[in-house]
Amino acid sequence: AQSVTQLGSHVSVSEGALVLLRCNYSSSVPPYLFWYVQYPNQGLQLLLKYTTGATLVKGINGFEAEFKKSETSFHLTKPSAHMSDAAEYFCACEDGSQGNLIFGKGTKLSVKP
Amino acid sequence: SQTIHQWPATLVQPVGSPLSLECTVEGTSNPNLYWYRQAAGRGLQLLFYSVGIGQISSEVPQNLSASRPQDRQFILSSKKLLLSDSGFYLCAWSMGGSQYEQFFGPGTRLTVL
Repeated sequence: AQSVTQLGSHVSVSEGALVLLRCNYSSSVPPYLFWYVQYPNQGLQLLLKYTTGATLVKGINGFEAEFKKSETSFHLTKPSAHMSDAAEYFCACEDGSQGNLIFGKGTKLSVKP
Repeated sequence: SQTIHQWPATLVQPVGSPLSLECTVEGTSNPNLYWYRQAAGRGLQLLFYSVGIGQISSEVPQNLSASRPQDRQFILSSKKLLLSDSGFYLCAWSMGGSQYEQFFGPGTRLTVL
C-alpha cells in the first residue's frame, strides 16, 4: 500500500526565512502528488499539484515544490515566510484507484515575528 | 464555478444521539464525493467515498454510515454517537481520476458529550 510521510509534525521559522516542509511517498510508480494548506477550523485548500511534465511546480501564495523521483520526495518550499503562512500543511498522493488520496499526517507551520 | 457546502458548521450532541451531516456540491455533475474525519493529532481519515448515486464505499468500519440520495448530495449519519466520534468532519469532491485534486468543504465541528 502506498504511504506518505511528512517529516516533522511542527516546524517553526522566523518571518522572512526559508520555509521547507518535507514529504516522501512510497510508490514504485511515480504518483500524482498534492500539497494542501489548512487554516484553523477551515477546510483544506489546494496549494499545488504535480501530475506530469515539469518537476518544479509553482503554486499559490509563493509556494513551490519539486518532484524528485530518485528520492521519492515532493518537498514544499517558500523563499520568505510570512505571518499569514502559519497553518497546517498536508502532502498527499493518489492511490491509483477512483481518485482517492492518501494524506500525510500534516505539518504545522509556525511563523515567528 | 463549483462550490461545496456543509452544514451544520458546528454541532454539540450527547452520547447515544443520532447524527446527520449534509454536504452538497454545486456547479458540477457526477462528482466523486468523500467524507473525512480529523481527530486531534491524527491527520485526515477517509471514512467513505462515492463514485455515483447509491454507490458508497466504506474505508473504516465504525458506527457511521453514508448515503448519496442525489448526484450532488452526500450525507453522513449515525444512529448512536460515541464519544470517539468527536472531530472535524470534512466533505470533498473531485472530478474522478487519479490526476484530479479534491476540493474540500468548510467542515463541521462535532463535539460529543
